[in-house]
Amino acid sequence: RKEVEQDPGPFNVPEGATVAFNCTYSNSASQSFFWYRQDCRKEPKLLMSVYSSGNEDGRFTAQLNRASQYISLLIRDSKLSDSATYLCVVNRREYGNKLVFGAGTILRVKS
Amino acid sequence: AAGVIQSPRHLIKEKRETATLKCYPIPRHDTVYWYQQGPGQDPQFLISFYEKMQSDKGSIPDRFSAQQFSDYHSELNMSSLELGDSALYFCASSWGTPGRDTQYFGPGTRLTVL
Repeated sequence: RKEVEQDPGPFNVPEGATVAFNCTYSNSASQSFFWYRQDCRKEPKLLMSVYSSGNEDGRFTAQLNRASQYISLLIRDSKLSDSATYLCVVNRREYGNKLVFGAGTILRVKS
Repeated sequence: AAGVIQSPRHLIKEKRETATLKCYPIPRHDTVYWYQQGPGQDPQFLISFYEKMQSDKGSIPDRFSAQQFSDYHSELNMSSLELGDSALYFCASSWGTPGRDTQYFGPGTRLTVL
């Protein structure tokens, strides 16, 4: 079982739709949480960090539930350019600062 | 803004050859990380350096070695290459003591072993 689990999708949604991704992590020692976005054959790009209080950046909202070890990402008003793989990522600082990635969720936004 | 620079962007090698990948972190970043992403897989952590010292080690084969230099750039040396080493190799950088957040990734080096 992977340390970070995500639904691989693909999620096929029309433009303007709201879509939500979920992620669970198994190691309670995880201390930092992120969503990265990765386009085909390109580097992961930081989308946002995730905090227990929840955080919002434009059309994107992320939430962390430490008790349930659950992370979510909500994308409102989807754009064609949102099509990508969304990687849920945790950082276990007890073992340095290495990032542990989920397998990613594929989002396809169609016109 | 300046980003992480990796070179070369593409590399083709034969089995049993050696390869050297280079990474130049974002200016003032002092921590460098190497990740390997195989086809259809998520990135896997290999090794990291903070202030020129190895700070953490992941699933890096013994055939691979790496170091960070005085100007904070890092090199990943890969010897006795195998077909299974074909992958995207990403370097990421961050600032501060390991445990500080936010790693920024370079564009990657695509290594193909024939």
